[in-house]
Amino acid sequence: SAVISQKPSRDICQRGTSLTIQCQVDSQVTMMFWYRQQPGQSLTLIATANQGSEATYESGFVIDKFPISRPNLTFSTLTVSNMSPEDSSIYLCSVEEYRSFGSGTRLTVV
Amino acid sequence: GIQVEQSPPDLILQEGANSTLRCNFSDSVNNLQWFHQNPWGQLINLFYIPSGTKQNGRLSATTVATERYSLLYISSSQTTDSGVYFCAVEGSYGQNFVFGPGTRLSVLP
Repeated sequence: SAVISQKPSRDICQRGTSLTIQCQVDSQVTMMFWYRQQPGQSLTLIATANQGSEATYESGFVIDKFPISRPNLTFSTLTVSNMSPEDSSIYLCSVEEYRSFGSGTRLTVV
Repeated sequence: GIQVEQSPPDLILQEGANSTLRCNFSDSVNNLQWFHQNPWGQLINLFYIPSGTKQNGRLSATTVATERYSLLYISSSQTTDSGVYFCAVEGSYGQNFVFGPGTRLSVLP
């Protein structure tokens, strides 16, 4: 299965700022997925990112808040914009093959 | 969309005990996977098992697709088995990968 590197692994950010999370895969994949896991909760899909097209967002998530880039078949970024304490979560990227996951980014907004 | 339920929500075991975790889903699936999230938040893929039975060491899983459930068996549990176990499914009609609420397992020494 694919090896996924995600960074940063954790960060503490001030409210009102933005953080960009990077996800690098060791092989080319068509689809990449971004998930959010709020404290004590399960994982929720934010959006699906295909190379060369706009990301597809799930209900409750919008591009202005979570812009995604997918410049090639091995890399994607998720930005959490204008952060508030409610954005404190673990953010994970995943790829299509057997849904392998990166190690996650633990974000705390203060 | 497809619904996923897991039971029990919480489980506390003594080291060496066996356990069974259950996942029920509401529709036919193309993909079902079990994951373990360790206390550091890392999500580890345990089994890809849309149907049938698989075993890997002390862990095994069975999915009965026609009855829409899957079971994860943990034998001779160890403290390192602690964490949250998630079942996740992808429906047969192209729905996105949906996670269940998880079972939080604590194995005591």
